[in-house]
Amino acid sequence: DADVTQTPRNRITKTGKRIMLECSQTKGHDRMYWYRQDPGLGLRLIYYSFDVKDINKGEISDGYSVSRQAQAKFSLSLESAIPNQTALYFCATSDLRGPGELFFGEGSRLTVL
Amino acid sequence: GDSVTQMEGPVTLSEEAFLTINCTYTATGYPSLFWYVQYPGEGLQLLLKATKADDKGSNKGFEATYRKETTSFHLEKGSVQVSDSAVYFCALLLGAGNNRKLIWGLGTSLAVNP
Repeated sequence: DADVTQTPRNRITKTGKRIMLECSQTKGHDRMYWYRQDPGLGLRLIYYSFDVKDINKGEISDGYSVSRQAQAKFSLSLESAIPNQTALYFCATSDLRGPGELFFGEGSRLTVL
Repeated sequence: GDSVTQMEGPVTLSEEAFLTINCTYTATGYPSLFWYVQYPGEGLQLLLKATKADDKGSNKGFEATYRKETTSFHLEKGSVQVSDSAVYFCALLLGAGNNRKLIWGLGTSLAVNP
């Protein structure tokens, strides 16, 4: 089994719908991250969490929210999805030395129509 | 500001060709440098890293040397294989403690033909 698991792997939804992407990890890492990948734009950090009680905004947090339900679980929500949130989303983890060495999930491809 | 610049892709090579993917950076202080690789349909994974000037990172036949004088960390491989087809990301890590920040390049797509 993968160390960092994302669900769903693919999702198609409509504008205005609420969407949750979930991430769980078995690496025992305290630090977790949500990134967005768009062609030509590389990776952009949405939110990150250093532990259950510590959540921080990244460079593109508008329109997103997160919840750190446990050390191993970090979910990303789009309260009202819009088409320009169509992207590939990645969850990643790191140990306390992070974020240099990150461990990524396989990604969740979201399409907003 | 701090930034990473990678050569634009796509890069297309024949099997057994020599590969160079250029990466230069602008940073205050002394960053650590990384190359990540993203194979089709997968998440990124760390390929190699270097934490100080003149360090050479290596893995799977790939190498990169941290050159402070030219602020570069170019990725090289002497003989590429079809299985090396992927997107390669250069990144730098700045700061200390909880203020560490990872800055990404935009990625370079590599396609290796048989």
